Amino acid sequence: GDSVTQMEGPVTLSEEAFLTINCTYTATGYPSLFWYVQYPGEGLQLLLKATKADDKGSNKGFEATYRKETTSFHLEKGSVQVSDSAVYFCALGGSQGNLIFGKGTKLSVKP
Amino acid sequence: DTAVSQTPKYLVTQMGNDKSIKCEQNLGHDTMYWYKQDSKKFLKIMFSYNNKELIINETVPNRFSPKSPDKAHLNLHINSLELGDSAVYFCASSQVGGRASNEQFFGPGTRLTVL
Repeated sequence: GDSVTQMEGPVTLSEEAFLTINCTYTATGYPSLFWYVQYPGEGLQLLLKATKADDKGSNKGFEATYRKETTSFHLEKGSVQVSDSAVYFCALGGSQGNLIFGKGTKLSVKP
Repeated sequence: DTAVSQTPKYLVTQMGNDKSIKCEQNLGHDTMYWYKQDSKKFLKIMFSYNNKELIINETVPNRFSPKSPDKAHLNLHINSLELGDSAVYFCASSQVGGRASNEQFFGPGTRLTVL
């Protein structure tokens, strides 16, 4: 079945460091791919998405490119801030309209 | 205006009790979902309803019963609560356009603690 694998956390970075969170997927067909973010004590918010191969999603300085050949959708940001501390979830669109999530990666950014 | 709202935000109860969580969306979406987030933050779909019709029912104990009185509401009723039901439950909604190409909007979550 469809699944998402993302790098285990936690990830701890200093402010202004470069961030990469790896995400790969297994799916039949060509699902939409998403990154959601969960700030402490809050629900999930869509960070960015890509609906077809080679699409690049971007928002708030974060980027991810839909790579069909490597079945990947890695999240990157050039310079993280303390306010980026959160749990990040990679997800794919399931065949029944649901989201299939990775296990989440907790990011802590230190000043 | 809150797009997807859930009540209550926190729910503490004893084993064996029956409880309900309510969800409402004012986005005009026709599909709603319940997800469960366990203590390790893992999120998994439980149910989805499209225009009041059950679409997804994952391997969830039949103590859990979703009810959708109309397409703006999806409630979750849980009978005979067990310790393992302690989790955060998220409601979400979307306008489904084939293989979840569209964004799902999530509620703030309900933290259920069973003692």
